[in-house]
Amino acid sequence: SQQGEEDPQALSIQEGENATMNCSYKTSINNLQWYRQNSGRGLVHLILIRSNEREKHSGRLRVTLDTSKKSSSLLITASRAADTASYFCATGEGAQKLVFGQGTRLTINP
Amino acid sequence: DAGITQSPRHKVTETGTPVTLRCHQTENHRYMYWYRQDPGHGLRLIHYSYGVKDTDKGEVSDGYSVSRSKTEDFLLTLESATSSQTSVYFCAIVNGTSTDTQYFGPGTRLTVL
Repeated sequence: SQQGEEDPQALSIQEGENATMNCSYKTSINNLQWYRQNSGRGLVHLILIRSNEREKHSGRLRVTLDTSKKSSSLLITASRAADTASYFCATGEGAQKLVFGQGTRLTINP
Repeated sequence: DAGITQSPRHKVTETGTPVTLRCHQTENHRYMYWYRQDPGHGLRLIHYSYGVKDTDKGEVSDGYSVSRSKTEDFLLTLESATSSQTSVYFCAIVNGTSTDTQYFGPGTRLTVL
């Protein structure tokens, strides 16, 4: 069964706008990660946030984690056409295993 | 793709035939993983390996077997392919410098007719 559930399943915005995706999970975690997948390619790691962290930044990415609500959000600021991709959250449960959600398909319109 | 190659990249086969997919890495990583990706299901773990000849099952291991006789190669075998195993298969490794982040290969698209 899937641990992470992303919301929304699909998101379409104009270039330059901010994009926010959410992930909810069910059990205790060691960390939560976000990955991007361009069409026809493998997943690429974006950012990892540990269970004792609340917010993390990387370039135009901001990730928050609320362990009390078992949820995380990924914010992409000033979106670009190249950000068009599917985004997946994955929860780390130890033993170097990840459980992936179903993903959010993001489309950036020019 | 983090020095990970998968072969073949595309394969079409018939129901009941055996199929072996290969994942090859060149950087001596200990952990290797096989996932399948299907619409509406995201990525699901099939099997993983934490060393030579050390493997364990994932969430959807039925109908699949794996072998790891060398550090660099992790093989996924479908003993008798079924149409439900039509999918895109991804191999991944954990970078030795980070025990949590996974790096993915380019994927193998398998179609079982």
